[in-house]
Amino acid sequence: QKEVEQDPGPLSVPEGAIVSLNCTYSNSAFQYFMWYRQYSRKGPELLMYTYSSGNKEDGRFTAQVDKSSKYISLFIRDSQPSDSATYLCAMSAYSNYQLIWGAGTKLIIKP
Amino acid sequence: DADVTQTPRNRITKTGKRIMLECSQTKGHDRMYWYRQDPGLGLRLIYYSFDVKDINKGEISDGYSVSRQAQAKFSLSLESAIPNQTALYFCATSGQSRETQYFGPGTRLLVL
Repeated sequence: QKEVEQDPGPLSVPEGAIVSLNCTYSNSAFQYFMWYRQYSRKGPELLMYTYSSGNKEDGRFTAQVDKSSKYISLFIRDSQPSDSATYLCAMSAYSNYQLIWGAGTKLIIKP
Repeated sequence: DADVTQTPRNRITKTGKRIMLECSQTKGHDRMYWYRQDPGLGLRLIYYSFDVKDINKGEISDGYSVSRQAQAKFSLSLESAIPNQTALYFCATSGQSRETQYFGPGTRLLVL
């Protein structure tokens, strides 16, 4: 079993919809949780990160961490075609600087 | 100019050949990383370096070696390429914060 599980999709939704992307993990030591976005033929870029539990909001994006369920989510409001990309979750423990990555979910926003 | 550059961008090679992938950065970061990306498997860490004299194996280092020639340069070598090393390879850098890694554009490698 992988330490981090992420549905690869693709997830196809109409423009303007609310999108929910999720990852589950098995290592209870994970404290740092990141979401990266990767456009086709590009390297990933950091979108949001949270430390420990709770929510974080940045414009149309909200990241949530539920440590009791070992589950993290990224919500995108008012989705745009430009949001079409692969979204990767990543996480690490406090004592280990290595990031453990999910497989990535391919998101398609239809105009 | 891009902060993290990788050369070559695409490479086709044959089984048994030695190949080197190069990474340069202008961000002034001490930490550099090599990952490979395969469909359905996400990013997996091959090697990482926290400074010129510090090099560490990652999750999947077998069959790979690295060289940190300077703070700004980190090279990945495949001593004897095999077909299952066909993948997309990314170099990344970071400062002191673990959460923000800056990736290069990737090298698409095909081993025949």
